[in-house]
Amino acid sequence: GAVVSQHPSWVICKSGTSVKIECRSLDFQATTMFWYRQFPKQSLMLMATSNEGSKATYEQGVEKDKFLINHASLTLSTLTVTSAHPEDSSFYICSARGTSKTARYEQYFGPGTRLTVT
Amino acid sequence: GENVEQHPSTLSVQEGDSAVIKCTYSDSASNYFPWYKQELGKGPQLIIDIRSNVGEKKDQRIAVTLNKTAKHFSLHITETQPEDSAVYFCAPKTSGTYKYIFGTGTRLKVLA
Repeated sequence: GAVVSQHPSWVICKSGTSVKIECRSLDFQATTMFWYRQFPKQSLMLMATSNEGSKATYEQGVEKDKFLINHASLTLSTLTVTSAHPEDSSFYICSARGTSKTARYEQYFGPGTRLTVT
Repeated sequence: GENVEQHPSTLSVQEGDSAVIKCTYSDSASNYFPWYKQELGKGPQLIIDIRSNVGEKKDQRIAVTLNKTAKHFSLHITETQPEDSAVYFCAPKTSGTYKYIFGTGTRLKVLA
């Protein structure tokens, strides 16, 4: 149980275009999802917290107009990188928070999406 | 903001030996302490966690110990195997939220 998927697993786009990444909880409902970014050989940096039906909360320094997050259902959150530039190339990882009483602190991570902007 | 550091940053051990990774955090109100394993090109996987009301937890070859007073917790892997080679992250949960702050990471290499 507690499987999180991401689509696509990798994407290449041209500079100036937008790209959408999907994060799905496959066997549980996730009221809260998180988006992280990870540069090569670095740690995961939280970008934003996404709650179903409400606006995402962005971490300091993350441009909300550039990284659009939508959490329209209990099993799907999307991250859209708008007007992508080469410096946005990174590994984007989502996670979903457990909802049971015993697992409410646990985050289940997706396999990640590698974005390359040329 | 919260500061989370791991030591060492890299660790090489012989197969069968033990490995210990330490995570030091700054938020004294943190109350949930997970360890994640990340293999190359994949998302992190939870390997063990501990809550603030417990000092130690063990799951087969893996254990976690927590010292809340000193604000650190450690991952212990015994009888290491080559498949344990990966990057390990601690990610204490910040107080009052469900957010994690990931540590700096430790690259473990188990030599056959």
